[in-house]
Amino acid sequence: GQQVMQIPQYQHVQEGEDFTTYCNSSTTLSNIQWYKQRPGGHPVFLIQLVKSGEVKKQKRLTFQFGEAKKNSSLHITATQTTDVGTYFCAGPRGSGTYKYIFGTGTRLKVLA
Amino acid sequence: DVKVTQSSRYLVKRTGEKVFLECVQDMDHENMFWYRQDPGLGLRLIYFSYDVKMKEKGDIPEGYSVSREKKERFSLILESASTNQTSMYLCASMRTNNSPLHFGNGTRLTVT
Repeated sequence: GQQVMQIPQYQHVQEGEDFTTYCNSSTTLSNIQWYKQRPGGHPVFLIQLVKSGEVKKQKRLTFQFGEAKKNSSLHITATQTTDVGTYFCAGPRGSGTYKYIFGTGTRLKVLA
Repeated sequence: DVKVTQSSRYLVKRTGEKVFLECVQDMDHENMFWYRQDPGLGLRLIYFSYDVKMKEKGDIPEGYSVSREKKERFSLILESASTNQTSMYLCASMRTNNSPLHFGNGTRLTVT
């Protein structure tokens, strides 16, 4: 069945270093969403990418959607302690569906 | 802002008990979801509902049922709780297809 994998599972960085998490789907996605979950919290929507090759920025966060629409990445420049949390990607199963499959998540720790 | 409220933050139940997890959203969203979150497995979809009294199975529906009698309320029912259902349960709502998921704070269920 359709799978969405994320790597790495964990990442520890020094404050100020960059961080990247990668998301890979076994099938083509019509769109991809990214969520952040702070420790003890719930997932919060960050962004949605729809177009092949799309790049979007939110301050220090850069999101990319692959040309084949099967992979995506989230890059954080100069991490801060407020970036701590787990980052999930999610893609719909098929088209026109409400069933979003979540990746396994990347847990980021930032050392001050 | 969308508010999704889950009735309990923590629950402890015994094996074999019938368990009800309640979720209410205040934004008149058509679509509501129940996910469970386990370490290393990400979020997995149990059931979702796209209208009152309408439901569809997600990826892991075994051992669970749902009820949606009113648009704003979506209940997850564990017919006979088992220890492998110990998990974090997250309710979410979505306005339309391909719009963001809005999550509640989660219910951490322990079955002993």
